[in-house]
Amino acid sequence: EPEVTQTPSHQVTQMGQEVILRCVPISNHLYFYWYRQILGQKVEFLVSFYNNEISEKSEIFDDQFSVERPDGSNFTLKIRSTKLEDSAMYFCASSFYYEQYFGPGTRLTVT
Amino acid sequence: AQTVTQSQPEMSVQEAETVTLSCTYDTSESDYYLFWYKQPPSRQMILVIRQEAYKQQNATENRFSVNFQKAAKSFSLKISDSQLGDAAMYFCAYRSEYSGAGSYQLTFGKGTKLSVIP
Repeated sequence: EPEVTQTPSHQVTQMGQEVILRCVPISNHLYFYWYRQILGQKVEFLVSFYNNEISEKSEIFDDQFSVERPDGSNFTLKIRSTKLEDSAMYFCASSFYYEQYFGPGTRLTVT
Repeated sequence: AQTVTQSQPEMSVQEAETVTLSCTYDTSESDYYLFWYKQPPSRQMILVIRQEAYKQQNATENRFSVNFQKAAKSFSLKISDSQLGDAAMYFCAYRSEYSGAGSYQLTFGKGTKLSVIP
């Protein structure tokens, strides 16, 4: 069964460093998403991507964040200059239409 | 904007018994989708069940079923014959039917932690 994959599973970085989180969505899906979950809190929407461009973004998704789908298979989230409060689980999701399928997440720890 | 409320932070159930998790939501839309996701300790988000707002029939997936009350904006999840593997966080989520922007992001509740007692 096709699944969404994410790498790395855990990333530790120092404050101010750039990080890139990678995702491979399910191959025939059209919509791609990044969500964030701070430990113990609910899952929050960051950004959606459709037709090779951002379709919507939340207030959290400020200028420090960017997304790319560089080669038709990978979908990346970049944080330019990480802050302590960026420490969270980051989930990639993809959908063809109704149902979003989530990857296993990347745990980002900013020290 | 839509909001999703899960009023039970924690629930417990005896193995083989039935438990119901509550979810309410607020929306001005008439067409939308509702979902329940399961998040075990591994923190992977797993889709459990989906309900389309236009359908009067409640969705069922094996031991999981929902009670969808559109007028009351209520969407509860019933787990029958609970198993140890059902222990997890359960999140209720809302998705609009229409999006001119090409985005169908999910709005999640805060979750209910379900424990299963052997």
